[in-house]
Amino acid sequence: NAGVTQTPKFRILKIGQSMTLQCAQDMNHNYMYWYRQDPGMGLKLIYYSVGAGITDKGEVPNGYNVSRSTTEDFPLRLELAAPSQTSVYFCASSGSTDTQYFGPGTRLTVL
Amino acid sequence: GQQVMQIPQYQHVQEGEDFTTYCNSSTTLSNIQWYKQRPGGHPVFLIQLVKSGEVKKQKRLTFQFGEAKKNSSLHITATQTTDVGTYFCAGSDYKLSFGAGTTVTVRA
Repeated sequence: NAGVTQTPKFRILKIGQSMTLQCAQDMNHNYMYWYRQDPGMGLKLIYYSVGAGITDKGEVPNGYNVSRSTTEDFPLRLELAAPSQTSVYFCASSGSTDTQYFGPGTRLTVL
Repeated sequence: GQQVMQIPQYQHVQEGEDFTTYCNSSTTLSNIQWYKQRPGGHPVFLIQLVKSGEVKKQKRLTFQFGEAKKNSSLHITATQTTDVGTYFCAGSDYKLSFGAGTTVTVRA
């Protein structure tokens, strides 16, 4: 099992560009999450999903969109990148036990 | 809404010393989880506590869940350089909420 995978590992965007951060899990988990972590800070929940076709906002959803068309994939979309979105983005998944398994992260810089 | 707070934010420890980090919730939790994030890495699950007053040990790490299920602690004995990183608690009532973490540095 690969667990939770994220692509790309690093990305530099210009202000106003858009991109999609990919996340996939092979553990057949229903729950998936997107977090952002600013330098020296904790994890802030952006969006989450409790199953295919169901998504909901977390603590900091503005500027982001998600979709969950399959159990395995949970992409995060940035439509108009802003410097405030410079951060490390972690995707995570969990099954019935609530324990979250994190991907390796995507380090995004918006200039 | 549910808030989970951790203290201290930073812990500078001499190698071989003990320390404790604390986690407090504004609401009663169904369970609490602890994660460790090494510098440059991603959070990794350490343990989950479910019962009131529960104590679990992992080698030099001792985790405790408070009687009221609103607080938790992580105690590390004989700190080693491998303990460097940020320790997050995450409390769950209907959704998991992460604390801001305690970042641990070790002086050799």
